Amino acid sequence: ILNVEQSPQSLHVQEGDSTNFTCSFPSSNFYALHWYRWETAKSPEALFVMTLNGDEKKKGRISATLNTKEGYSYLYIKGSQPEDSATYLCAFSSNFGNEKLTFGTGTRLTIIP
Amino acid sequence: DAGVIQSPRHEVTEMGQEVTLRCKPISGHDYLFWYRQTMMRGLELLIYFNNNVPIDDSGMPEDRFSAKMPNASFSTLKIQPSEPRDSAVYFCASSFSGAGNTIYFGEGSWLTVV
Repeated sequence: ILNVEQSPQSLHVQEGDSTNFTCSFPSSNFYALHWYRWETAKSPEALFVMTLNGDEKKKGRISATLNTKEGYSYLYIKGSQPEDSATYLCAFSSNFGNEKLTFGTGTRLTIIP
Repeated sequence: DAGVIQSPRHEVTEMGQEVTLRCKPISGHDYLFWYRQTMMRGLELLIYFNNNVPIDDSGMPEDRFSAKMPNASFSTLKIQPSEPRDSAVYFCASSFSGAGNTIYFGEGSWLTVV
């Protein structure tokens, strides 16, 4: 069983503040780490795919880092806006069937105007 | 380009009834996944197909659940008989093996069994 854990489970952040949260995953047989953003009643939307230790990806105010040796990834949001309110999911794939993603339970982010 | 299309979007049914959820993957994608989202367990993979062939159904909770993919553009997930604990959001997703394994999700089927 692959354990992908995310923390915190939920987070309230004042508009304009920056925030970050964590995904931890097995460090052995690593293939890729994905981040998704999910707004209720919509499709989860892919944000980043990272495959190499030390990878950093950025999309606007959102960025992510990857440490495969210790098995964690951080997602950062700079200058939070109300539209950032969503659940952020990370997913791990291994060398054994890399098409299959195992998801964490997500971090539910609420931005307070 | 149309994304993954699921139907129905919402279903309320009585315990014991059969439920069929439908999915049309993105054209050209060779993998199709069925996930279930609950508060307690997050997104769980139920089953996935490659080129219409089931590869791993170890996540299917019990014999009441079955999934088929008769062709590259259609899949069903069936629950018979349904139970209140099956209430969840069921996502279908697809991916293309040559494109970094990003999975593209549908908007989900919200199932309530009363």
